[in-house]
Amino acid sequence: SQQGEEDPQALSIQEGENATMNCSYKTSINNLQWYRQNSGRGLVHLILIRSNEREKHSGRLRVTLDTSKKSSSLLITASRAADTASYFCATDWSSNYKLTFGKGTLLTVNP
Amino acid sequence: NAGVTQTPKFQVLKTGQSMTLQCAQDMNHEYMSWYRQDPGMGLRLIHYSVGAGITDQGEVPNGYNVSRSTTEDFPLRLLSAAPSQTSVYFCASRGRQGLGGYTFGSGTRLTVV
Repeated sequence: SQQGEEDPQALSIQEGENATMNCSYKTSINNLQWYRQNSGRGLVHLILIRSNEREKHSGRLRVTLDTSKKSSSLLITASRAADTASYFCATDWSSNYKLTFGKGTLLTVNP
Repeated sequence: NAGVTQTPKFQVLKTGQSMTLQCAQDMNHEYMSWYRQDPGMGLRLIHYSVGAGITDQGEVPNGYNVSRSTTEDFPLRLLSAAPSQTSVYFCASRGRQGLGGYTFGSGTRLTVV
């Protein structure tokens, strides 16, 4: 399986703290994407990082990619209660933009 | 724009019944995919399409059939429902040009009894 794996499976923090989630994958990739899923909803695309990029920012999100270690991290700074959700990494490893998802990290931000 | 629309939102089937989950997008996206989401398993790719008339299997295609007669629609057919197909199904799409993420529908929660 090409599946990525997120770590930790669950994370609970206080509002205002930073949250870091990690993703490891198995094969070479074209790009890696992070998605958010609120309970009972569809997934929302957050950020994409290409295989030749090492770091990318979008608002309070910072993503890093280390292709030598086949790993990525998602940092959410100054977290808010509204950030409570599951976060998934997805690897794009084919020419047809097929995505392979990890099992997700459940983030709980306590007010 | 409505984005990706999935119908129905909820469905209960009896074992052996067949049904079609509908997916439509109004963004003129070439790529469309179907995923199923099970507790503790993440999302797994069932079938995908890179354009009208072109479909291919994903990781877990058995028991499902797809067709892509138009750019807008990508229905998923359950041929003979089994309890193992109880899941939440998501349809997603993206354009071929540029580089971006997929847009997901809100899902269909299917229970097979």
